[in-house]
Amino acid sequence: GENVEQHPSTLSVQEGDSAVIKCTYSDSASNYFPWYKQELGKRPQLIIDIRSNVGEKKDQRIAVTLNKTAKHFSLHITETQPEDSAVYFCAASTGGFKTIFGAGTRLFVKA
Amino acid sequence: GAVVSQHPSRVICKSGTSVKIECRSLDFQATTMFWYRQFPKQSLMLMATSNEGSKATYEQGVEKDKFLINHASLTLSTLTVTSAHPEDSSFYICSASPGFHDSRREKLFFGSGTQLSVL
Repeated sequence: GENVEQHPSTLSVQEGDSAVIKCTYSDSASNYFPWYKQELGKRPQLIIDIRSNVGEKKDQRIAVTLNKTAKHFSLHITETQPEDSAVYFCAASTGGFKTIFGAGTRLFVKA
Repeated sequence: GAVVSQHPSRVICKSGTSVKIECRSLDFQATTMFWYRQFPKQSLMLMATSNEGSKATYEQGVEKDKFLINHASLTLSTLTVTSAHPEDSSFYICSASPGFHDSRREKLFFGSGTQLSVL
């Protein structure tokens, strides 16, 4: 079945450094790739998304890249801050319907 | 973004009782809503897809008689955990996607989640 693999499962960085989280997907029909940030006990919040007709998208310190041929997409956070510490999930969907989530990456930003 | 309201946020119940969780889209109509279960430090596990006016579609391994889903209107879906047992204790969360004609149609918006503890 459809699958989304996410790495690493845990990531620890020093404040100010960059963090990169990588995902691969299996369903070639996937055309929408959102990233969510979830703090403990709270709802996942959409932080950035990208559609399959775009290779890169940036929003301030956050950027996402997509390699549709390789079925890879990545989240890049620059100038990390302690408040960036959370669990990040990548996902792949065929546009609002069934969304497959990665296993999550627990990011720790050390002050 | 869009707003999805979920209640209750926390519930503690005795084994054998039933618990109902509500999920409402407040500023858009949602023909489809999704219910997930999340264990500590794990990802979101899709339980079922709730379709307005029709039966829910359950994922493999999810008991439909155990987890009753009703999508009575375009803004409300409910999940009822019947005859709850301690192993049903978990964080349950819903999500909804605006309809096709909404510019936000591809996006999923999540409820705030319900922490269920069965004693």
